[in-house]
Amino acid sequence: DIQMTQSPSTLSASVGDRVTITCRASQSISYWLAWYQQKPGKAPKLLIYTASNLESGVPSRFSGSGSGTEFTLTIGSLQPDDFATYYCQQYHSYPRAFGQGTKVEFK
Amino acid sequence: QLVESGGALVKPGGSLRLSCTDSGFTFSSYGMNWVRQAPGKGLEWVSSISDSSVYIYYADSVKGRFTVSRDNAKKSLFLQMNSLRAEDTAVYYCARNRPAGEVDYWGQGTLVTVSS
Repeated sequence: DIQMTQSPSTLSASVGDRVTITCRASQSISYWLAWYQQKPGKAPKLLIYTASNLESGVPSRFSGSGSGTEFTLTIGSLQPDDFATYYCQQYHSYPRAFGQGTKVEFK
Repeated sequence: QLVESGGALVKPGGSLRLSCTDSGFTFSSYGMNWVRQAPGKGLEWVSSISDSSVYIYYADSVKGRFTVSRDNAKKSLFLQMNSLRAEDTAVYYCARNRPAGEVDYWGQGTLVTVSS
């Protein structure tokens, strides 16, 4: 089974900061990776699919990159609405796996 | 829009059936998933079912206890949960797969609590 490891687990940042979250797969998943944003009490929201494609309606300050086993989610200039928890998920094979999440909090 | 129902407080060893109903898209054209989130924890994939129910997958943690099914005529997804354990306590989300596999629509979730 493929394991997904995110880092860091928590990230303290300020509005306007550039933020990068890393996700590593235990084996190659090509580009079959998605990123989700989740706010407390809400369902996750798709941000990025196939590693680098921006979901419709998602602000362009979000970007994704990587392939194989290492991936990054970057928020170009952190906005107040971006303080949330972010998850990566591989959909290369079953069982599907999520990373453990990265909470972006106010510094 | 996906709407889950059926969450409840149940005793260990008990059973529960969750439902998820679609009200906005061509349900029969999409694979579907159940994803859960224990209180204060991360997301955990539980099960997936293809559009025609030919392909079904389960996480090891629920295999043999949970059964996923769907009724395309009723635009509904189900999760039959048996032999429930305390560690099954979570919000259960139903979610839609795009053809490539990414999950693009999620329900609001339904809470399952397993406790004596």
